[in-house]
Order: sequence, then structure tokens, then C-alpha cells
Amino acid sequence: GAVVSQHPSWVICKSGTSVKIECRSLDFQATTMFWYRQFPKQSLMLMATSNEGSKATYEQGVEKDKFLINHASLTLSTLTVTSAHPEDSSFYICSARDRGGAVNEQYFGPGTRLTVT
Amino acid sequence: DAKTTQPPSMDCAEGRAANLPCNHSTISGNEYVYWYRQIHSQGPQYIIHGLKNNETNEMASLIITEDRKSSTLILPHATLRDTAVYYCIVRVRADYKLSFGAGTTVTVRA
Repeated sequence: GAVVSQHPSWVICKSGTSVKIECRSLDFQATTMFWYRQFPKQSLMLMATSNEGSKATYEQGVEKDKFLINHASLTLSTLTVTSAHPEDSSFYICSARDRGGAVNEQYFGPGTRLTVT
Repeated sequence: DAKTTQPPSMDCAEGRAANLPCNHSTISGNEYVYWYRQIHSQGPQYIIHGLKNNETNEMASLIITEDRKSSTLILPHATLRDTAVYYCIVRVRADYKLSFGAGTTVTVRA
């Protein structure tokens, strides 16, 4: 089946630094990837839609200058949390749309847990 | 997208069928019913989807009422590994943006 990986699986960083999270589709091409954020005991919230070769589309209330998204290839999207603060600590999950798949659905990565100290 | 209503939690016994209800009374004619689940500290996993007919795959069955205002996800033989939060989402198929509600926390007990 379609596999999406994320790297790193967890990261701890100091306040004010930037952190890059990678999302890769391992066995399919993904023209569209999505980034979600999940705080403890809450549901997933869509942050942005990442389209290969074009600018990301951000959901209302998500700062595009703080959460930089790059989708430079059909198998890789990156999310950079710039000048991270403790309130950015969360579980970040990506998903990738398998356009060529039989079910034509999207598949989720395992998530990246970010802790900002 | 139409909103859904799910019970916040339910328990079921290992080996028994688990029936998870979902109400979506404002669903539109072109909206599908999707089910995902999220095991603790993992990314969500697609389970099944349907429009109006009942659907079955290797993971589960989806029963949609004739008026499409509600549906039931059936895990035929629940195992401890099925313990997760289950999300019922309705959406137009061409729109891949998913709006997750609170879901149902299912605990399978031995």
C-alpha cells in the first residue's frame, strides 16, 4: 500500500530556533500534500495545502510566514516552523494524495512531535 | 462540508463486532461518507468510504441509511489493535481537505 514517511519523528528545539519537518511519499507521486496540527487531546486541524511546484494555500488563522511550506518535488514536501515558541509544540502530521492509486485517496504520515523549550 | 455527530466514546469486547454510529443529517447529494481512525500518537488511517450503497473491505463494513442521514461503521471482529479514535467525515470527493471532528474513542477490552 501507499506509504508516507515523516522525518524526524520527534524533535526538541529551543525557543527562537527554526525546525524543518519532511514529508515523503515513498511509493507514489503526490501532487498535493496536506499539513495538519494536533494539540494534546484535540482533533487534527488542517494548516495548509501544499501543491507541487506552486505556493501553498494556508487555512484561515495560520501564519504563512511562520509555517513555511515547500513542495519542490512530487514526493517531498517540507514544513519549516520558523522562530518556534513553546505554543508551537504540537503533533504535526502530513498527508499525501495518491492520484494514481486505485482508491484515489490520501495517506497520512506517522506524525512529528515537536517540543519547543 | 456537512457536519457529523459521533458518540464521544464506546467500549467493546475483543472478538465481538463493534458498531460505530455517525449522524450526518445535512449531507448533500454529492457528499461521500469517509471513515478514518487514529491510533494513539500515529497518523490517521483510511478505513472505508461510501456514497449511498453499503460497502465492505478487509477492514470494515459501512452501512449507510437509505436517506443517507446516518451511517454505521462495523468492525466485524474487534481486536485490541482496533483501539483508536474513529472519525466520520463527509465531503465532496473532489475536495481532499479533511475536516476532523472529535471522533469516537473506541476501547477494545480483552
